[in-house]
Amino acid sequence: QVQLVQSGAEVTKPGASVKVSCKASGYSFDTFGITWVRQAPGQGLQWMGWLSAYNGDTNSAQSLQGRLTMTTDTSTRTAYMELKSLTSDDTGVYYCARGGGNSGYDFWGQGTLVTVSS
Amino acid sequence: SYVLTQPPSVSAAPGQTATITCGGNNIGRKSVHWYQQKPGQAPLLVVYDDSDRPSGIPERFSGFNSGNTATLTISRVEGGDEADYYCQLWDSSSEHVVFGGGTKLTVL
Repeated sequence: QVQLVQSGAEVTKPGASVKVSCKASGYSFDTFGITWVRQAPGQGLQWMGWLSAYNGDTNSAQSLQGRLTMTTDTSTRTAYMELKSLTSDDTGVYYCARGGGNSGYDFWGQGTLVTVSS
Repeated sequence: SYVLTQPPSVSAAPGQTATITCGGNNIGRKSVHWYQQKPGQAPLLVVYDDSDRPSGIPERFSGFNSGNTATLTISRVEGGDEADYYCQLWDSSSEHVVFGGGTKLTVL
């Protein structure tokens, strides 16, 4: 069965970076994109960006450009999201999901809580 | 940038019908997807491409999209349907994904 398993919770300081992983199983990894979505405490869903597991092409939200890096390692079927220059506004749960572009996201990781605090 | 507008809250009694709207400029020309999110859980896709249901989603969940409004309808509402619901689409002009602000469904 399709599964996306994310890395564990992170606590980090303002100005630092965080890297979250998303390991896929149960499907042909390079056939689908991976999308990253985050959710601040008590808030709605925010699209962060998408990358193609096939060729590594990426597309990210304007508000995060310059701070967000998305990569994949096809040998381990793992996608990574790195966010730099963190502030308290980046605190929240980060999700990876299968799909991209015009598609709905049919499978999601369990979420990774990132806390930015001095 | 493209904006999707959802009512903050909707309520329905068990057995009744709940309707959640998602407004956007000419949204009927785009493919809309809907997610259910319960507290502490990841979102769950309940309707994709306006009106299709993923495997395992009850027929009670249906979608429609026309003009400036997309709609998620939940028939015969159950207590387990209480959750936040989000609409989402791909805006081809900006090449960005947009989520609505979310609607909290309360089952009375």
